Amino acid sequence: DVKVTQSSRYLVKRTGEKVFLECVQDMDHENMFWYRQDPGLGLRLIYFSYDVKMKEKGDIPEGYSVSREKKERFSLILESASTNQTSMYLCASSWLGNQPQHFGDGTRLSIL
Amino acid sequence: KNEVEQSPQNLTAQEGEFITINCSYSVGISALHWLQQHPGGGIVSLFMLSSGKKKHGRLIATINIQEKHSSLHITASHPRDSAVYICAVPANSGGSNYKLTFGKGTLLTVNP
Repeated sequence: DVKVTQSSRYLVKRTGEKVFLECVQDMDHENMFWYRQDPGLGLRLIYFSYDVKMKEKGDIPEGYSVSREKKERFSLILESASTNQTSMYLCASSWLGNQPQHFGDGTRLSIL
Repeated sequence: KNEVEQSPQNLTAQEGEFITINCSYSVGISALHWLQQHPGGGIVSLFMLSSGKKKHGRLIATINIQEKHSSLHITASHPRDSAVYICAVPANSGGSNYKLTFGKGTLLTVNP
């Protein structure tokens, strides 16, 4: 079975901090994704990556950056955390093309 | 960009009832995804389908490509089916298919 592991289930940080969310997948998937999920808005794509060091902006990239130095690891970085970034963050991975995405359990991030 | 509408937003049923959740999208697609999210849990891919019907246990997914519409049915519903069900389609017609647009989800509650 595919395993997508996110580093934390719950995280509390302060406004202005630099925050790192880590995601690791064990199936050699080319694609990796970062989403945020907010009540009433559904899942929204922040960034995705289709290969090592390759990335593309999603629908809501402002305030975020990503890093993919190794195929199995995709990091989401909040450069200077703000309260409006309090949300559930979900990482996913998939094979190339329109293939089912495999999701991590999510990180519930609170910015105080 | 593809727009996705799910209905209903909320659905409450008694154990044993037949459940239908609907999904409509605006732009032609190659395949559609149905996902399940339990409270506090991660997201699981249930189906990916491009035509006709797929069945897995008590879950059945159908798609009508011409009408840009899909349904997810649950037969003999059970309280453990209580979850949010999410429909997703490729964000753009043609081009890369690994960016998805998600519906806002249908919250299903099955009472014993």
